[in-house]
Amino acid sequence: SQQGEEDPQALSIQEGENATMNCSYKTSINNLQWYRQNSGRGLVHLILIRSNEREKHSGRLRVTLDTSKKSSSLLITASRAADTASYFCAILNAGKSTFGDGTTLTVKP
Amino acid sequence: GAGVSQTPSNKVTEKGKYVELRCDPISGHTALYWYRQSLGQGPEFLIYFQGTGAADDSGLPNDRFFAVRPEGSVSTLKIQRTERGDSAVYLCASSLGLGPPTDTQYFGPGTRLTVL
Repeated sequence: SQQGEEDPQALSIQEGENATMNCSYKTSINNLQWYRQNSGRGLVHLILIRSNEREKHSGRLRVTLDTSKKSSSLLITASRAADTASYFCAILNAGKSTFGDGTTLTVKP
Repeated sequence: GAGVSQTPSNKVTEKGKYVELRCDPISGHTALYWYRQSLGQGPEFLIYFQGTGAADDSGLPNDRFFAVRPEGSVSTLKIQRTERGDSAVYLCASSLGLGPPTDTQYFGPGTRLTVL
């Protein structure tokens, strides 16, 4: 299976702290995407990183990809209460995305 | 611009009934995807279309599930003889194309299906 598996399953931090979530997968990939989901509805696309890229930034988000270790990480810096959500990585190959079961992030004000 | 829209937002039906779920992709997006998400899990791929044709329907769980996209825009996911196990949030996504840099998938808000 190419399913991305997120780690940890749940993460609770204080506002202002950084949050790091990891994703591991089993086979070679074309690209990997990170999504956020609030209240079980509507996934919001955060960042897509391709297999030939090692790092991408978007605002307070930083994504890394290590194809030799078959892993990716999502770092949210200076977290806010509004960052509370579930975060998923998805492996995109041949048109379909395969998701893990996500990391539930809680940011306490 | 407008994002992916899905109707209805909620659907409650009885076991054995037929349901249709609709997805309106982002205008101009050629690829359309259906996923199903159960509580506490990540989305599970069902089917995707490139234009009017189903390019990969390997995720459809059985022949009670069928999807169409007759004009290459709006898509309908059809479920016959619904079962309680079909209860989930059904998510639709679209992308401009299939190859980089057009392959980013944008999701709609989902339809929550409850089968009693």
